[in-house]
Amino acid sequence: DTEVTQTPKHLVMGMTNKKSLKCEQHMGHRAMYWYKQKAKKPPELMFVYSYEKLSINESVPSRFSPECPNSSLLNLHLHALQPEDSALYLCASSQDPLAGNNEQFFGPGTRLTVL
Amino acid sequence: GENVEQHPSTLSVQEGDSAVIKCTYSDSASNYFPWYKQELGKRPQLIIDIRSNVGEKKDQRIAVTLNKTAKHFSLHITETQPEDSAVYFCAASRGSSNTGKLIFGQGTTLQVKP
Repeated sequence: DTEVTQTPKHLVMGMTNKKSLKCEQHMGHRAMYWYKQKAKKPPELMFVYSYEKLSINESVPSRFSPECPNSSLLNLHLHALQPEDSALYLCASSQDPLAGNNEQFFGPGTRLTVL
Repeated sequence: GENVEQHPSTLSVQEGDSAVIKCTYSDSASNYFPWYKQELGKRPQLIIDIRSNVGEKKDQRIAVTLNKTAKHFSLHITETQPEDSAVYFCAASRGSSNTGKLIFGQGTTLQVKP
């Protein structure tokens, strides 16, 4: 398996809902990333997990909560979101940044709409 | 802080012409420079990358050049085709970081007219 997969593809949620986004890769990559992307803008880094430890939190509001259950899985738990959080949420992985193998490969994304 | 500037923001060319997109980075410790292509509604796809120990890399119609002294790198697409139409993002990263964090440029919307 040479791809990053994400579920669901689309998600519509109310501001009081709790939902989770899931990301999976079976390439043995040791770093995984969550990005938020608005239309025609670059991906905006949210979180980085390196060797299953949270390495970067780019001052993301606490209504977004990441989780890395194991080296292949990455979740993003969502609670009490705002309409401005509507965006494409992208997951990415890279083989081993510590060893200089830092090519990042993106999943197809989850299109999130907050009503 | 770390910053990558990308120009132009939009580029329109005739099919068969060449297209050039330029980026400038601020962090002198950067040594990995990928380029991503993103078609409408799709994921960013890595199309080519270059590391600081080389000055140029080519893959069929796509080439990337790097000038470390000037902190510039550029994407060159020759013989453009309508399917090259997309948003292109450059990025820069420190190779020795344990996170592989990418600093992205703002993107260039390329339109190739048939």
